[in-house]
Amino acid sequence: DTGVSQNPRHKITKRGQNVTFRCDPISEHNRLYWYRQTLGQGPEFLTYFQNEAQLEKSRLLSDRFSAERPKGSFSTLEIQRTEQGDSAMYLCASSDIGISYEQYFGPGTRLTVT
Amino acid sequence: QKEVEQDPGPLSVPEGAIVSLNCTYSNSAFQYFMWYRQYSRKGPELLMYTYSSGNKEDGRFTAQVDKSSKYISLFIRDSQPSDSATYLCAMGEDSSYKLIFGSGTRLLVRP
Repeated sequence: DTGVSQNPRHKITKRGQNVTFRCDPISEHNRLYWYRQTLGQGPEFLTYFQNEAQLEKSRLLSDRFSAERPKGSFSTLEIQRTEQGDSAMYLCASSDIGISYEQYFGPGTRLTVT
Repeated sequence: QKEVEQDPGPLSVPEGAIVSLNCTYSNSAFQYFMWYRQYSRKGPELLMYTYSSGNKEDGRFTAQVDKSSKYISLFIRDSQPSDSATYLCAMGEDSSYKLIFGSGTRLLVRP
């Protein structure tokens, strides 16, 4: 399978703990995106990378959130000091640099903060 | 007011019906328009995309964009129970690669 993969698929954590999610994009895609989706809503943009450079960040990405793509391949999204409001599906997408509007999504990581 | 508005449904139709799904938007800078299908607890799956105005057809699916009215549509012909899912519209500007999504319309196709 050469699609976008995300791990873990589901994470349950206690409030105040740190969590990290991983995304592996489609291998030839240069751009990688993170979105967050809550129940009954569409995905909301968080940030995106072109190769290893983080080029845009949403105001939704508070100081507790950090994303990296150190070698321009996989990416990690870390949430520090989790809050119950962080409970959501975290989606990763990737696109080819030439046709960036065709974003292909992974299965998501469902985060539950108790 | 949200940048992209989409009726949440649910929309329930009999098998074989023609389905019409719609979104309206307020940002005239949007140039590319996408439709995604999302099954429960799965990631969105890209169905159709259109750049600027016009129509695009792919099998049973037709996407239409009317920029003068800030209105986009997705038509599904000969709907099947397997089409039952949430349909998300998404839009973007040339100056940014982020997509702005509607809240999704839940579709149920009854056998």
